[in-house]
Amino acid sequence: GAVVSQHPSRVICKSGTSVKIECRSLDFQATTMFWYRQFPKQSLMLMATSNEGSKATYEQGVEKDKFLINHASLTLSTLTVTSAHPEDSSFYICSASRSGGGYGYTFGSGTRLTVV
Amino acid sequence: GENVEQHPSTLSVQEGDSAVIKCTYSDSASNYFPWYKQELGKGPQLIIDIRSNVGEKKDQRIAVTLNKTAKHFSLHITETQPEDSAVYFCAASKGYSTLTFGKGTMLLVSP
Repeated sequence: GAVVSQHPSRVICKSGTSVKIECRSLDFQATTMFWYRQFPKQSLMLMATSNEGSKATYEQGVEKDKFLINHASLTLSTLTVTSAHPEDSSFYICSASRSGGGYGYTFGSGTRLTVV
Repeated sequence: GENVEQHPSTLSVQEGDSAVIKCTYSDSASNYFPWYKQELGKGPQLIIDIRSNVGEKKDQRIAVTLNKTAKHFSLHITETQPEDSAVYFCAASKGYSTLTFGKGTMLLVSP
């Protein structure tokens, strides 16, 4: 149990376009979902925390207008990278916390975004 | 806020040896300590976790120990195998708040 599906696994987009990444909890309801960014050979950097039905809370230094997060249901959160630039190229990972807690955090398989 | 230090950054062992990775945390209120294994190009996968009301937990070849007084916790892998090669992250959180990750340890197990 506790499976989180993240799509796409890889995406290449042109500079200036927008890209949407989906994160779904397949077998549980996720009250809270988290979005991370990871640079090569580095740790995970929390970008934002989203709670179902409310606005996401962004970490300091993360541009909320560039990284749009929507958590419209208990099983789906999306991250949209708007007007992407090469410096946005990175590995993006979501994780989900089961409603009521107590079961830790389950991570998606990640999305490799390359902006050309 | 919480700060998690992880050592070593790289660890090379021979197949069959044991591997130990250590983490320290700063916030005495943290009470959940998971360990994740991340293979190249994939998301982190939970391998074991421990809560602050327990001092040790074991799952086959993997064990985690927690010393609340010293605020450190360790991952122990026995009888290492080449497929254990990956990056391992420790993390800490308070209740169900966000996780704070260590910087990771690249474990290389040579056949």
